[in-house]
Amino acid sequence: AQSVTQLGSHVSVSEGALVLLRCNYSSSVPPYLFWYVQYPNQGLQLLLKYTSAATLVKGINGFEAEFKKSETSFHLTKPSAHMSDAAEYFCAVIFTSGNTPLVFGKGTRLSVIA
Amino acid sequence: DTEVTQTPKHLVMGMTNKKSLKCEQHMGHRAMYWYKQKAKKPPELMFVYSYEKLSINESVPSRFSPECPNSSLLNLHLHALQPEDSALYLCASSQDWDRGNQPQHFGDGTRLSIL
Repeated sequence: AQSVTQLGSHVSVSEGALVLLRCNYSSSVPPYLFWYVQYPNQGLQLLLKYTSAATLVKGINGFEAEFKKSETSFHLTKPSAHMSDAAEYFCAVIFTSGNTPLVFGKGTRLSVIA
Repeated sequence: DTEVTQTPKHLVMGMTNKKSLKCEQHMGHRAMYWYKQKAKKPPELMFVYSYEKLSINESVPSRFSPECPNSSLLNLHLHALQPEDSALYLCASSQDWDRGNQPQHFGDGTRLSIL
């Protein structure tokens, strides 16, 4: 069955440390992949997307993600965490070319410690 | 600032009330969506409109009634809601429902509380 898994419901890092949020998908065909961020009391903001062009995708706020087909992964990274990065992060997937819903992972809450 | 505008931001209503949520986008997108999000959970899809026609209804109870008056507007009419319907209701839009590589853009949501 097609699914998306985010490992770790809560990740805590020190300010200035590397941020790594994991996302794996289950599909025989490479899907379209997205990362969204949700700050408290706000909607979801698109961080970046993979749509079968470059495998390393750069997004907003210094985040980037690398699509690895062999590992069916699309992990989100940021070299140096800021306090303002504390939020909920969702990996989301569209498994076909269209007319299918966006499937969300369960989310990872990122805490940044001063 | 989000390009998808939702009103009101907060809504408190009784179980016998009738109210409506409104969503507006001016990006020329032809697909619009309603999601329900409970605390600490990902959004759950409720409805999809493509070119102003309902494409998906994810078995949503009839007390929720969507409406798409034109390509820029999406409403969600509420009637006889239950306490478990309290949640954040998110609207989103995308350029096209037919192409999976088009990201969805979300509004800031309406926080709904049912008394």
